[in-house]
Amino acid sequence: AQTVTQSQPEMSVQEAETVTLSCTYDTSESDYYLFWYKQPPSRQMILVIRQEAYKQQNATENRFSVNFQKAAKSFSLKISDSQLGDAAMYFCAYNPSNSARQLTFGSGTQLTVLP
Amino acid sequence: DAGVIQSPRHEVTEMGQEVTLRCKPISGHNSLFWYRQTMMRGLELLIYFNNNVPIDDSGMPEDRFSAKMPNASFSTLKIQPSEPRDSAVYFCASSLDSLPGYTFGSGTRLTVV
Repeated sequence: AQTVTQSQPEMSVQEAETVTLSCTYDTSESDYYLFWYKQPPSRQMILVIRQEAYKQQNATENRFSVNFQKAAKSFSLKISDSQLGDAAMYFCAYNPSNSARQLTFGSGTQLTVLP
Repeated sequence: DAGVIQSPRHEVTEMGQEVTLRCKPISGHNSLFWYRQTMMRGLELLIYFNNNVPIDDSGMPEDRFSAKMPNASFSTLKIQPSEPRDSAVYFCASSLDSLPGYTFGSGTRLTVV
């Protein structure tokens, strides 16, 4: 069974600084997808970034980028130039690339942005 | 597109009552998921439909929970009878097989007193 581990329950960052959130996963699959979702206090789950395992290039979306290390089964999220609106719970998620589309989520990291 | 639409946004009910949560997926999406979120257990998959057919309901906690998807644009999650331990945020999400990753609804916060 696949598992997703986020070892940092809480993180904080100063506004305009950079922060990295960690995620590791366990799978025997060779092809899969990884995601970071953001859940602000409004509780809406928002897709931040997606990575396909067969692509070596790390995904980027504006101030958000990932460091995908397939051999190490590591998938960290870097937020640059942090803004107050980035404060949220961040979830790492795994999805096998077969017909079963269930996402397995990590336990989340609560990010606080300090003014 | 209006996104995934869930109703109600909040529901407070008494123990023993029937509760029905509703979801309208994004038009064209062929997979629909119901998740439950609690502080203790995080996000748990309850059931997953593909092309309106239930594929995996192993996450449904017990017979008090049931879910239906009568057509591609509507799904319900029913709890009967409800219990205080069912209090949680229930999310519906939809996706397209060719584009991994869900779009979530805004969730229903259920409180059973």
